[in-house]
Amino acid sequence: QSVLTQPPSASGTPGQRVTISCSGSSSNIGSNTVNWYQQVPGTAPKLLIYSDNQRPSGVPDRFSGSKSGTSTSLAISGLQSEDEADYYCAAWDDSLNGVVFGGGTKLTVL
Amino acid sequence: EVQLLESGGGLVQPGGSLRLSCAASGFTFSSCAMSWVRQAPGKGLEWVIGISGSGGATYYADYVKGRFTISRDNSKNTLYLQMNSLSAEDTAIYYCAKAYSGTWYRFDYWGQGTLVTVSS
Repeated sequence: QSVLTQPPSASGTPGQRVTISCSGSSSNIGSNTVNWYQQVPGTAPKLLIYSDNQRPSGVPDRFSGSKSGTSTSLAISGLQSEDEADYYCAAWDDSLNGVVFGGGTKLTVL
Repeated sequence: EVQLLESGGGLVQPGGSLRLSCAASGFTFSSCAMSWVRQAPGKGLEWVIGISGSGGATYYADYVKGRFTISRDNSKNTLYLQMNSLSAEDTAIYYCAKAYSGTWYRFDYWGQGTLVTVSS
């Protein structure tokens, strides 16, 4: 069982806006920034969002992150077929003294 | 261009040991914290262990304390993971991940992974 909780699946049609949630606690999301990773099956993860809502260069502005209290969300607007992947949130946990990941959300583009 | 190339994976018997390596290039290795992140077959990402740029600080997931050791040789731009007392639950792809300079867990580059299979 993951320390950070994500829905196992999400879906949308091309062009739609999809949101993936990630909930934690005061020792992780509540006190540290969150990063999001995208993983296309069979490939290594890729940094998608860092520091809650910042995009690395090269990541389309269709991807955005937000945080409130001990929860965070990843939003994908203008959904495209190439967005079909697994998405993971991650944060530092002060109690565990280490990095914790969410269980991952499999996004399907219908 | 940043490159991370893991090696050392393979088949090992329960109770056995294995040493993984990650050869880094394209960035100032000693300036960046590094971590190992694993992914069991069909499962999600799981952080294993991390080390500061100088090697002076290390952090472990509880389930590997006393079994796994992380180290680095900054003169060789290489990260290591020594794994002892392996069990079937350690079967996974092990990724080497670079943290953005000055951070611990903003993993901006990942290797392609090396598969560790623990089985008799």
